Amino acid sequence: AQSVTQLDSQVPVFEEAPVELRCNYSSSVSVYLFWYVQYPNQGLQLLLKYLSGSTLVESINGFEAEFNKSQTSFHLRKPSVHISDTAEYFCAVSLYTSYGKLTFGQGTILTVHP
Amino acid sequence: DSGVTQTPKHLITATGQRVTLRCSPRSGDLSVYWYQQSLDQGLQFLIQYYNGEERAKGNILERFSAQQFPDLHSELNLSSLELGDSALYFCASSALGTSGLETQYFGPGTRLLVL
Repeated sequence: AQSVTQLDSQVPVFEEAPVELRCNYSSSVSVYLFWYVQYPNQGLQLLLKYLSGSTLVESINGFEAEFNKSQTSFHLRKPSVHISDTAEYFCAVSLYTSYGKLTFGQGTILTVHP
Repeated sequence: DSGVTQTPKHLITATGQRVTLRCSPRSGDLSVYWYQQSLDQGLQFLIQYYNGEERAKGNILERFSAQQFPDLHSELNLSSLELGDSALYFCASSALGTSGLETQYFGPGTRLLVL
């Protein structure tokens, strides 16, 4: 069975500082990788996803994530965060062979301070 | 706005009761997924339907059941409720639900509180 571990439950950071949210996964078969964001009192929104090809994927709001197969990691980074990035971030995987069931990590709460 | 709607937004009920959560997928999406988000278990996949048929099952209790209707809306029925069933229940939809590479679009969730 597959699993996802988000190594930090909470990450506090100051505005305009860089941030990295760590995600490791475990699976015996190939997976697709996702990052979702959940703003307070809202549902989950897809931030970015890795399906194949270039190991570096980017979102429209400045986040990027790099797939590292040897380390089974998919860390999320942003070079300069804003107050509005305060949210909970979830890393997730789905199997190539599945119908799309997502397995989520426990989530990382990113808090950006002024 | 993801295009996925869920009702009700909040639900407060007592132990032993039964409730029904409703989800309408994005226009054109054939597949619906249900997830439970709780403090102790995190976000867990419950069940998936595709065009009216159950396609995949996750950690769904026997007290819980779901169905997808011909108009593609879905309902999650929770019965004999326990305190531990208090959680946020999300519905998501995708175009076909045939592959892990499809993006799932999540609704705003139904927050269930069992007293």
